[in-house]
Amino acid sequence: DVKVTQSSRYLVKRTGEKVFLECVQDMDHENMFWYRQDPGLGLRLIYFSYDVKMKEKGDIPEGYSVSREKKERFSLILESASTNQTSMYLCASKALNTEAFFGQGTRLTVV
Amino acid sequence: DAKTTQPTSMDCAEGRAANLPCNHSTISGNEYVYWYRQIHSQGPQYIIHGLKNNETNEMASLIITEDRKSSTLILPHATLRDTAVYYCIVRPRSYSGAGSYQLTFGKGTKLSVIP
Repeated sequence: DVKVTQSSRYLVKRTGEKVFLECVQDMDHENMFWYRQDPGLGLRLIYFSYDVKMKEKGDIPEGYSVSREKKERFSLILESASTNQTSMYLCASKALNTEAFFGQGTRLTVV
Repeated sequence: DAKTTQPTSMDCAEGRAANLPCNHSTISGNEYVYWYRQIHSQGPQYIIHGLKNNETNEMASLIITEDRKSSTLILPHATLRDTAVYYCIVRPRSYSGAGSYQLTFGKGTKLSVIP
């Protein structure tokens, strides 16, 4: 089975901290995605990557950056966490001709 | 990507069939219909996809109208564990070019299976 693993299930950080959310997939998928999910707003795409070192902005990239140094790992970075970045963060991966596989999510609270 | 419209919420009695509709009137010829669901506090899970023929797997059936402007996901015997938010998405099955890699979710339908 495809496995998409997010490094933390729950995370609490302070305002202004630099936060790293890590995602690893084990199926050699080309494409990886970061979403955030908030009540009433559904899943919103932050960034995606279609290859190593390649990245594209999604719908809400402001306040975030990403890194894809290896094919299996896609990191989401909050340069200076703010309270409005408190959310559930979901990572996904997919190959060119497969469905998307999601991790379990990281619930981030910024205090 | 074509946009989709789904009801905000639906109820279904346990053991009965759950029929979840999706409108995608602007779907183009190379776009597939995908369904995912998200059980509370988990990541979304793939259910099924189709192009124009009806599809069935161990989880569900997908009925796509002849004009492809709408579809229905059918859970034949809903259980309490099927309570989730169901997302309908349309997009090409394979694609190239950085701009077409987005996978866009709407707000979905919250299905509540009632005992």
